[in-house]
Amino acid sequence: KAGVTQTPRYLIKTRGQQVTLSCSPISGHRSVSWYQQTPGQGLQFLFEYFSETQRNKGNFPGRFSGRQFSNSRSEMNVSTLELGDSALYLCASSILRRSFTDTQYFGPGTRLTVL
Amino acid sequence: KNEVEQSPQNLTAQEGEFITINCSYSVGISALHWLQQHPGGGIVSLFMLSSGKKKHGRLIATINIQEKHSSLHITASHPRDSAVYICAAQNYGGSQGNLIFGKGTKLSVKP
Repeated sequence: KAGVTQTPRYLIKTRGQQVTLSCSPISGHRSVSWYQQTPGQGLQFLFEYFSETQRNKGNFPGRFSGRQFSNSRSEMNVSTLELGDSALYLCASSILRRSFTDTQYFGPGTRLTVL
Repeated sequence: KNEVEQSPQNLTAQEGEFITINCSYSVGISALHWLQQHPGGGIVSLFMLSSGKKKHGRLIATINIQEKHSSLHITASHPRDSAVYICAAQNYGGSQGNLIFGKGTKLSVKP
């Protein structure tokens, strides 16, 4: 079974631009979560989607948004990029047979650099 | 004070040594996760536990709910164990959105 895939793997943008990142979960997984990882803050939760609905959102500004499609693929968008948005963006999928405590499977991440 | 604290931040060991990484949390949890991140960024979920102890190969994870403390042990460490180990506390209330991460422990195992 193929793992979680993320595209693109690397991205360079300039301040003020917007960016869209894509995540394809493991086949059969219905939950997709997004995380931001920076050297200073470590891993932080962005949002979680299940069956095309946002179940939970982390403490990030409204410039960060996401969505999930009917095939469980998910995208996240960051508008008006700032230098501080430079980070590794990870997505993770899980089956979500129960309401919580399911193992997550992480993708390789998209490394975003904002110049 | 961070809700999830890990120690040590950095750890260097010789091949074959027994390694312990500690994680303390201050929130009520439904589960505690241990993750491994190799250089390059890929993260692997090692353990998810809510009580007691779990073992997978040379890795052992324990949790003491009363003391709000978890440990990850690596027996007979090997250079391929070199990675960052991250613990994450999963709050009550369901969903992965309640994961609170520690800052990670960077482990380097020398041959």
